[in-house]
Amino acid sequence: NAGVMQNPRHLVRRRGQEARLRCSPMKGHSHVYWYRQLPEEGLKFMVYLQKENIIDESGMPKERFSAEFPKEGPSILRIQQVVRGDSAAYFCASSAPTGALNNEQFFGPGTRLTVL
Amino acid sequence: GENVEQHPSTLSVQEGDSAVIKCTYSDSASNYFPWYKQELGKRPQLIIDIRSNVGEKKDQRIAVTLNKTAKHFSLHITETQPEDSAVYFCAANSGGSNYKLTFGKGTLLTVNP
Repeated sequence: NAGVMQNPRHLVRRRGQEARLRCSPMKGHSHVYWYRQLPEEGLKFMVYLQKENIIDESGMPKERFSAEFPKEGPSILRIQQVVRGDSAAYFCASSAPTGALNNEQFFGPGTRLTVL
Repeated sequence: GENVEQHPSTLSVQEGDSAVIKCTYSDSASNYFPWYKQELGKRPQLIIDIRSNVGEKKDQRIAVTLNKTAKHFSLHITETQPEDSAVYFCAANSGGSNYKLTFGKGTLLTVNP
């Protein structure tokens, strides 16, 4: 039973380039969350998606950042025109669709983005 | 929005001693409080969680207490072992939602052999 998968694990980009981070949720999970973790900081909520729907993107910067979770394939977090301040670990989590109760969020191994 | 404060930021204990990490939250609508353990370079992993309908929950050497009136909750680890060394994060759901978690800044726990 594979856990949450993220790739790449490490990503280096130069300022102005695009970064695409992928997340495959656990089998049977249809809810995906993206978090950003700066060095020595906690995890900051960015966006919550279900298949083909963005449910809550209140934690996502208004510009340059976008996320999707298509019907087929992984969830993608896309950062356009990266800047040095985007350097961080980006974690994806998934949970099962079990109604209104809080569900455990299972985290992936993260993608460490470095912007040169 | 929700604000979660976590203390201490670092904690060093001798093997076999107990460790206590405390968190406070601001949103009275919060009703779900998970604790995550993150080893260096690894993913956060849920170790225990508590919902607002109980005041305490225990799982072997780990326990969590919740005081809704005071809006604080604590993690207690007894008989600590070197493998307990990690960063521990508390979290609370925000705005009564069933998904949006606000995390504390973490506590680096070091258990000295």
